[in-house]
Amino acid sequence: SAVISQKPSRDICQRGTSLTIQCQVDSQVTMMFWYRQQPGQSLTLIATANQGSEATYESGFVIDKFPISRPNLTFSTLTVSNMSPEDSSIYLCSVLQRAGGVTDTQYFGPGTRLTVL
Amino acid sequence: AQKITQTQPGMFVQEKEAVTLDCTYDTSDPSYGLFWYKQPSSGEMIFLIYQGSYDQQNATEGRYSLNFQKARKSANLVISASQLGDSAMYFCAMRESNSGYALNFGKGTSLLVTP
Repeated sequence: SAVISQKPSRDICQRGTSLTIQCQVDSQVTMMFWYRQQPGQSLTLIATANQGSEATYESGFVIDKFPISRPNLTFSTLTVSNMSPEDSSIYLCSVLQRAGGVTDTQYFGPGTRLTVL
Repeated sequence: AQKITQTQPGMFVQEKEAVTLDCTYDTSDPSYGLFWYKQPSSGEMIFLIYQGSYDQQNATEGRYSLNFQKARKSANLVISASQLGDSAMYFCAMRESNSGYALNFGKGTSLLVTP
């Protein structure tokens, strides 16, 4: 499967500021996704990052709060804007790949642990 | 409505024993896929095993196997010969054919393997 890296791995930010998280893949992938995992909770899909067009956001997530870029098939960024303590979460990117010929499977990056004070 | 239900918030198992983690799902889509992921304390999500709705046989992947009971809408993960390194959160997830490849995750089960 693809090797996925995320930067930063963790950060502590002040409320009202913004943080941009980068996701880099070592091979071209068609689909990339961004998830949020609030403390002690499961993963929730924020949006699908589309190459060359606007991201597709899930219900409850808006572009003004979580702008996403996907300039090419190996890279995407997620910005968490105007942060509040409720944004403290792990943010994970994932890519869709077919490994072993079974099915298209999502593989995840290592995550970015964000704490907002 | 919750599409994936994992009723066991926490489980204990002794090293070398087998353990079953429960997962039930709800969908009216005849074509769907079920996935299990492991999340160690480091936070990464590790793909373990996949079961397709049309697969006739239960999926297996090393020490992981999936007990798929379609009529009961359950897809339980069985870990054989547990190891200390298996201690982690385990998430069951479903993808429906009209979901655009998005995954719907359950709340997870915390597994602790004891010596």
